[in-house]
Amino acid sequence: SQQGEEDPQALSIQEGENATMNCSYKTSINNLQWYRQNSGRGLVHLILIRSNEREKHSGRLRVTLDTSKKSSSLLITASRAADTASYFCATALIQGAQKLVFGQGTRLTINP
Amino acid sequence: GAVVSQHPSRVICKSGTSVKIECRSLDFQATTMFWYRQFPKKSLMLMATSNEGSKATYEQGVEKDKFLINHASLTLSTLTVTSAHPEDSSFYICSARPPPEGAHGYTFGSGTRLTVV
Repeated sequence: SQQGEEDPQALSIQEGENATMNCSYKTSINNLQWYRQNSGRGLVHLILIRSNEREKHSGRLRVTLDTSKKSSSLLITASRAADTASYFCATALIQGAQKLVFGQGTRLTINP
Repeated sequence: GAVVSQHPSRVICKSGTSVKIECRSLDFQATTMFWYRQFPKKSLMLMATSNEGSKATYEQGVEKDKFLINHASLTLSTLTVTSAHPEDSSFYICSARPPPEGAHGYTFGSGTRLTVV
C-alpha cells in the first residue's frame, strides 16, 4: 500500500522560479528518497536522505526531512523547462527493509 | 553508474496470450529485484519482490498465478503476465538496488508499456 502523500499533486511555475514539493509518510523509515519520472519513462534517482539527516543538497536540489512530523520537502531552485516531470518521494521502511513505498507524486510543469 | 535494462519497452498482445518482461542488472549483481505497476498519471504500486534462487514475495492483492516471477540468476528477473486481459494493460517497471546497501537509491528500468487487445 502507498504510505506517502505528496502535495501539491500538480504544480505549474515559470522558468527561473523555485519549485517546492512536500511529502508526508506514516511509519518509521530507514531513509527517504526522491525520484523523477519523465512521461512514459522509468524513474531516475535524485537524492537519498537518511532518517538521521535533516537536510541534503545536490546541485539545484535541496531536500529536508523532519522525522517528528514524518514529512520531507524537495526544493528545485532556478527551475528550467527540462525539469518538467513527475516527482515522487519513496520511503524505505525499517521493517521489511528493502521495499520502497512511493508517494502519489507531484506533476511539475515549468513554463518557458 | 548502475544500470538496469528492461525489455521490451512496448508490447501489444492478444487477450489470452502470455507476455514475458525481462529485467537485467548490467553492471552489478542483484539478489533482489522489485516489480511495479503504474497506471496513467498514478504512482507506482509494488507488485512483488523477486528473490534470486527462491520464490518471489507478492504484495497483498497481487495474483501469483497471474504474474509469474522468476529470478534465475543474480542479474536477471522476469515477469510473465499469463493469460493477459485488457485490464492487465499498464506500465510495468522493475528496479534493483546496487551495492553498497543503504548508500544509494534504487535503479529503475525504463519500463514496459503493455497493451492487451
